[in-house]
Amino acid sequence: AQTVTQSQPEMSVQEAETVTLSCTYDTSESDYYLFWYKQPPSRQMILVIRQEAYKQQNATENRFSVNFQKAAKSFSLKISDSQLGDAAMYFCAYSVNRDDKIIFGKGTRLHILP
Amino acid sequence: DSGVTQTPKHLITATGQRVTLRCSPRSGDLSVYWYQQSLDQGLQFLIQYYNGEERAKGNILERFSAQQFPDLHSELNLSSLELGDSALYFCASSETGYGTNEQFFGPGTRLTVL
Repeated sequence: AQTVTQSQPEMSVQEAETVTLSCTYDTSESDYYLFWYKQPPSRQMILVIRQEAYKQQNATENRFSVNFQKAAKSFSLKISDSQLGDAAMYFCAYSVNRDDKIIFGKGTRLHILP
Repeated sequence: DSGVTQTPKHLITATGQRVTLRCSPRSGDLSVYWYQQSLDQGLQFLIQYYNGEERAKGNILERFSAQQFPDLHSELNLSSLELGDSALYFCASSETGYGTNEQFFGPGTRLTVL
């Protein structure tokens, strides 16, 4: 069964510093997609970044980047120059190409310290 | 604003009752997904519809059912409600229903069962 594990229930980072959120997943598929979603206090689910498993290059979106290690089944999210607005719950998620549902991890709550 | 609308925003009801949650997908999106987020948990996939047909089923209870109508809006029916059904219910939509397409999430319906 496909699973997504986020081992850090909570993390804190000083404003303007860099923080890395960890995620591992388990799958026997070779083609799949990985995502990081942000859920602020408003509870809205916001896609932060996505990675196609067939692409070796790590995805980047402004201050957000990932470290995708396919062999290790690891998909960490790095947030650079942390801002107060980054405070949220972050969910790592997975989707198989031919399947449609997204499987979510339990989340990491990120606190930004001013 | 993702373009996905969900009504109502909040719903408070009693055990044993039945409720209907409604979702309107983004214009042009054919696929609708339903997810359940219990307190401090990740999202759990419930069910997916594509252009009116059920496409995939997750851990959806037999007391729950859904449908997608010809105008592509979807309804999630929850019956014989229990305290444990209290959760945030998200609807998401995507263009084709395959994992390659981004799922856009609605703001959610918070269900409280007393």
